[in-house]
Amino acid sequence: NAGVTQTPKFQVLKTGQSMTLQCAQDMNHNSMYWYRQDPGMGLRLIYYSASEGTTDKGEVPNGYNVSRLNKREFSLRLESAAPSQTSVYFCATRTGGSGANVLTFGAGSRLTVL
Amino acid sequence: QQPVQSPQAVILREGEDAVINCSSSKALYSVHWYRQKHGEAPVFLMILLKGGEQKGHEKISASFNEKKQQSSLYLTASQLSYSGTYFCGTEAQAGTALIFGKGTTLSVSS
Repeated sequence: NAGVTQTPKFQVLKTGQSMTLQCAQDMNHNSMYWYRQDPGMGLRLIYYSASEGTTDKGEVPNGYNVSRLNKREFSLRLESAAPSQTSVYFCATRTGGSGANVLTFGAGSRLTVL
Repeated sequence: QQPVQSPQAVILREGEDAVINCSSSKALYSVHWYRQKHGEAPVFLMILLKGGEQKGHEKISASFNEKKQQSSLYLTASQLSYSGTYFCGTEAQAGTALIFGKGTTLSVSS
C-alpha cells in the first residue's frame, strides 16, 4: 500500500524544456491536488481535480496544465519551463466531499529550472 | 485567499508551551493543521469543522472560532519532536480545495 506516489523525485531542466510530473494514488480517493512550495510562501495550490473528469485552477495555475487520467492518476505538465518554476511540487489526495477528510501528501518532486 | 498565520517563527525549550494562530477573511467550513519536517511532506495533525466536529492528534489541541474565522493550535509541554513548520489550511465550502497559510516555524531545543 504505497499511498501517494510521485515521480520523478528530482529533475533538472533548462529554460524552455517541457516535462510532466506524475502522481498516482492507491487510496481510492476522489480528489487530487497539486501544490508548489517555495521558501516563505507556504503551499500554494496550482490545480486540483475534485473528481475524475474534472479539473480546476488554483491560486497559481499560469504555466501549468493538468490531466486527470483516471481516478488514480493526476499529472502536472510544464510546457515551457521557466526559472520561476523552480520549486518543490507536492501531489495530495483526499476522499472529497463533506466531513472530516484530510489530505495525504506524496513525498514531493524537487524541480530545478536553469 | 491565503489565510494569515502568526507568529512566523517560535523558539522554545522543551516543556514550554506555544500557540499558533490562523485567521481568514472568508467564512470557513473547516480548518486543517499539518506539520512538516525539513525535507519531508506535510503530515496531518488536526481538522476542525464548522459545527464543532474535530479529529486529530492526541497530544495537540486546537480551537476554531467560527464567528471570527480564526483557529489556534495549542502545543503544550513541547518535545524536541515538535520542531518543524506548521501550516493551517482552510476550506471555504465542503469539498473545495484547501488553501494554506505561509507557515509557522517551531524550533524546540533541550
